[in-house]
Amino acid sequence: QKEVEQNSGPLSVPEGAIASLNCTYSDRGSQSFFWYRQYSGKSPELIMFIYSNGDKEDGRFTAQLNKASQYVSLLIRDSQPSDSATYLCAAPQGGASGGSYIPTFGRGTSLIVHP
Amino acid sequence: DTGVSQNPRHKITKRGQNVTFRCDPISEHNRLYWYRQTLGQGPEFLTYFQNEAQLEKSRLLSDRFSAERPKGSFSTLEIQRTEQGDSAMYLCASSAQGARNTEAFFGQGTRLTVV
Repeated sequence: QKEVEQNSGPLSVPEGAIASLNCTYSDRGSQSFFWYRQYSGKSPELIMFIYSNGDKEDGRFTAQLNKASQYVSLLIRDSQPSDSATYLCAAPQGGASGGSYIPTFGRGTSLIVHP
Repeated sequence: DTGVSQNPRHKITKRGQNVTFRCDPISEHNRLYWYRQTLGQGPEFLTYFQNEAQLEKSRLLSDRFSAERPKGSFSTLEIQRTEQGDSAMYLCASSAQGARNTEAFFGQGTRLTVV
């Protein structure tokens, strides 16, 4: 069973702090990783993707990838109450029939940013 | 609006009834995915189409579930003889042709309640 694992949280941080969200994956064939943000009752919204080892920065968000350790993380700097949501990690993983890569999601980490 | 569109947004049905949901993907996307999401969980893969071909189907998917994508455009997901355990958010996502690194974009989802 190919899996993407996340701690469900909740992760609670004060406004202005750095929130660190972590994800591990089992399929060494995964080459790309995606972070989605999901507000309560809404559908997931893509916020970041990363393909290469190292860091990728986009505004207050930084994605970090370590393929050797099969680990991907998302850092949110200067956290705001509006960042309070569930953050889903996703990686395309091989389907049962082979030849297809299916975006596979972790259970998500709930982030609470308190004023 | 050129995003992924799902209808209906909400559906309440009695146990034992059949329901059908529709998804219109982003027009240039040839890949289409159906997911189911329950409270506190990440999206769970149900099935995948590339153009009109259904290439992957989750082993967890009951025979009561069927999906189609005629002509490789919109897709429908039908649940026959609904059960209370089918209550969930049903999400559709689409992505473009290309390498496995392409990101998937979600529709607003259809929330099903079986009473």
